[in-house]
Amino acid sequence: VQLVESGGGLVQPGGSLKLSCAASGFTFSGSGLHWVRQASGTGLEWVGRIRTQANNYATAYAASVKGRFIISRDDSNNTAYLQLNSLKTEDTAVYYCTKGGDYGDFDFWGQGTLVTVSS
Amino acid sequence: SYDLTQPPSVSVSPGQTASITCSGDKLGSKYACWYQQRPGQSPVLVIYQDKKRPSGIPERFSGSNSGNTATLTISGTQTMDEADYYCQAWDSNTVVFGGGTKLTVL
Repeated sequence: VQLVESGGGLVQPGGSLKLSCAASGFTFSGSGLHWVRQASGTGLEWVGRIRTQANNYATAYAASVKGRFIISRDDSNNTAYLQLNSLKTEDTAVYYCTKGGDYGDFDFWGQGTLVTVSS
Repeated sequence: SYDLTQPPSVSVSPGQTASITCSGDKLGSKYACWYQQRPGQSPVLVIYQDKKRPSGIPERFSGSNSGNTATLTISGTQTMDEADYYCQAWDSNTVVFGGGTKLTVL
């Protein structure tokens, strides 16, 4: 199993960025995908998730990002996305893509991509 | 909102047993899992469904969950176990992480 995030970088407050998560080594279309972030020196924060086609690609988000971030997926390319809009300085963090396990856990994680929101 | 509380730090001597707790309202009625994060690395799942170990995780890692507390126990702690540990559960269709515990092996 491999999850590879990309798309991070420096963006100004109020700006947008789109992160990608390329997956391999498992049945991507049959797995829920989550995004988790971690600001420097702090703990893990769940950002949101997208379920499978069988579950209508349902999404859910943390209150801190709801209405600003959008999670999507392209099963034909084994890729998940995180669209970050109206970015704030407090969104600065490493963003991890994770594969949802069968019992509400996250059984595989990517290496993360750093998003820095600063003027 | 639902909170999971962990001690900020735990210290243990090599070869001894380390216990890290995670407290939350009626946590025992939910599935708890645990992640290990070494400095500069991504988190790794070490316990899921309260007490199960993923493939490749050493037997010295074990878990329990009852009442309001989940516990991660590391028996015969090794220096390589020095890391941050996070508990995690679901509540009301959202994921909650504990604040993390820094395990020091000295």
